[in-house]
Amino acid sequence: DSGVTQTPKHLITATGQRVTLRCSPRSGDLSVYWYQQSLDQGLQFLIQYYNGEERAKGNILERFSAQQFPDLHSELNLSSLELGDSALYFCASSAFGLSGANVLTFGAGSRLTVL
Amino acid sequence: GESVGLHLPTLSVQEGDNSIINCAYSNSASDYFIWYKQESGKGPQFIIDIRSNMDKRQGQRVTVLLNKTVKHLSLQIAATQPGDSAVYFCAVMNSGGYQKVTFGIGTKLQVIP
Repeated sequence: DSGVTQTPKHLITATGQRVTLRCSPRSGDLSVYWYQQSLDQGLQFLIQYYNGEERAKGNILERFSAQQFPDLHSELNLSSLELGDSALYFCASSAFGLSGANVLTFGAGSRLTVL
Repeated sequence: GESVGLHLPTLSVQEGDNSIINCAYSNSASDYFIWYKQESGKGPQFIIDIRSNMDKRQGQRVTVLLNKTVKHLSLQIAATQPGDSAVYFCAVMNSGGYQKVTFGIGTKLQVIP
């Protein structure tokens, strides 16, 4: 157990639907990162939050949005889902968002299947 | 550099041999490098890191080499075991106002018993 909790583990939904993925970072970590991983592909950076504020944006579609709440958990909202959105979505957290070593601790991922 | 959605390259190694996994990065301002291991169905896990003021760091059965001149990073695994079968990612970071973490495309290591 890495200390980063992601729910749900698996999610099957239909095209056009909206889902919310949830992440609880490791205790004490202030930064949360979201990554998308399609089958047999690398990790695509989506977005990063530090202590509730958005810090960096990657290849995140306009249909996707995220936020980090005061208790530091984060949610990734995916709307108007398409078949190509089927992927593993990973959340990672780190202790340092501004300086110093920034080792990411990953959750087990949420596997989204869009039918 | 950052993953661009290409399919993963695969490295096949005989059990007991040494493995070398390579990673090229593009930003010369990068100053912190990490290798992650991702086993099937799991999230990536930290293996070893190195700062830009070093060119070599050793862990248990793993060594990371950094060549800043050619912007190249490698992970060496000694006496590769079946449990080493996984996808290996390098991650590159730049210190600054905030730290952006960029992952390489990844390499799938297959250990042949």
